[in-house]
Amino acid sequence: KNQVEQSPQSLIILEGKNCTLQCNYTVSPFSNLRWYKQDTGRGPVSLTIMTFSENTKSNGRYTATLDADTKQSSLHITASQLSDSASYICVVIPTDSWGKLQFGAGTQVVVTP
Amino acid sequence: GAVVSQHPSRVICKSGTSVKIECRSLDFQATTMFWYRQFPKQSLMLMATSNEGSKATYEQGVEKDKFLINHASLTLSTLTVTSAHPEDSSFYICSAGGTGDNQPQHFGDGTRLSIL
Repeated sequence: KNQVEQSPQSLIILEGKNCTLQCNYTVSPFSNLRWYKQDTGRGPVSLTIMTFSENTKSNGRYTATLDADTKQSSLHITASQLSDSASYICVVIPTDSWGKLQFGAGTQVVVTP
Repeated sequence: GAVVSQHPSRVICKSGTSVKIECRSLDFQATTMFWYRQFPKQSLMLMATSNEGSKATYEQGVEKDKFLINHASLTLSTLTVTSAHPEDSSFYICSAGGTGDNQPQHFGDGTRLSIL
């Protein structure tokens, strides 16, 4: 069973609107949680990194939150742009194995004009 | 910022051919690099950990004789898919870095391998 579950699987939003992506994980203990953006046919690019003690981290129009008690994270995209169309991947790094990233399956976001 | 370069970006070849994919860290040294495989609409799956100057560590179910990894320098790791078959067609991605809590692991742009 995947230790990182993301929802929804896919999302279509109008340009300019906001959206929130969810990530539930069971990885424990973990050192940090990361959100990546992956454009089609490209490698993932880091958006945010949060240690287990952090609650929120922003990167421009992207804001990630983390609740270590409920083992949930979210990624909020504000004022979406067409270039935000991509897959957004939640990644959790176990404390005892920094190289063995646990990947979610991603949420495919499509921003329409 | 740190950049990981992967080459080639796309390969189309006949069944039985061996294909080599290169992964380079352009502005930092990487004693460890990672190789992933990604099928459409699925997560990245770790295939192996490439260690500079020593043997790679393969994940369960990954054939080491099929996927040869060489990490001869601090900036270059190669993955060779030997005698490739159509079922080996996939998106292969390498990464490096990310050794600290606040350091992102940098990914290459991937190699789309298509075996006819």
